[in-house]
Amino acid sequence: NAGVTQTPKFRVLKTGQSMTLLCAQDMNHEYMYWYRQDPGMGLRLIHYSVGEGTTAKGEVPDGYNVSRLKKQNFLLGLESAAPSQTSVYFCASSPLPRGNEKLFFGSGTQLSVL
Amino acid sequence: GQQVMQIPQYQHVQEGEDFTTYCNSSTTLSNIQWYKQRPGGHPVFLIQLVKSGEVKKQKRLTFQFGEAKKNSSLHITATQTTDVGTYFCAEENYGQNFVFGPGTRLSVLP
Repeated sequence: NAGVTQTPKFRVLKTGQSMTLLCAQDMNHEYMYWYRQDPGMGLRLIHYSVGEGTTAKGEVPDGYNVSRLKKQNFLLGLESAAPSQTSVYFCASSPLPRGNEKLFFGSGTQLSVL
Repeated sequence: GQQVMQIPQYQHVQEGEDFTTYCNSSTTLSNIQWYKQRPGGHPVFLIQLVKSGEVKKQKRLTFQFGEAKKNSSLHITATQTTDVGTYFCAEENYGQNFVFGPGTRLSVLP
């Protein structure tokens, strides 16, 4: 049982380039999330999804897009990368928050934008 | 929106000393969760508190939920080098997602 898998683990982009981060979970969880982590700022929610085909904005959605075409996958896209998007990105999943379920995190993606 | 505050931001302790981190919310919480992130790792769930005044223990870790359900604390007794990491509290946001505090980074000197 792999849990939550993120790819790639590391990536370096030039300003203006685009890329997609992939998150896959094999726990049949309904909810999936993308967080970014910056020093001293904890984890900030970018976008989340409460089920296949649905997405919603979090605290810091600007510059990112997401898609949840399949229940097990949640994609995070950067259309035109900026240095301010240099960060560590974590994907997470949970069964149903209303049931007070915990989050399961992936191992993260270290992204540098030059 | 919801804001979660944590203090202190950093804590350096000598191995064997106790450690406490505090989490405060601007709103009354339905529940609160605690996570630990080791250096270079990802957050891992520790515990969830639901009831007013609830106290839970995991070996040397004691978690407490305030009577008014607006604050919480994590206390580690006799720290060990394996306790090194960043501790986050997280509150549920209208059953949709989770808002994390900025975390407390713990360093333990051997």
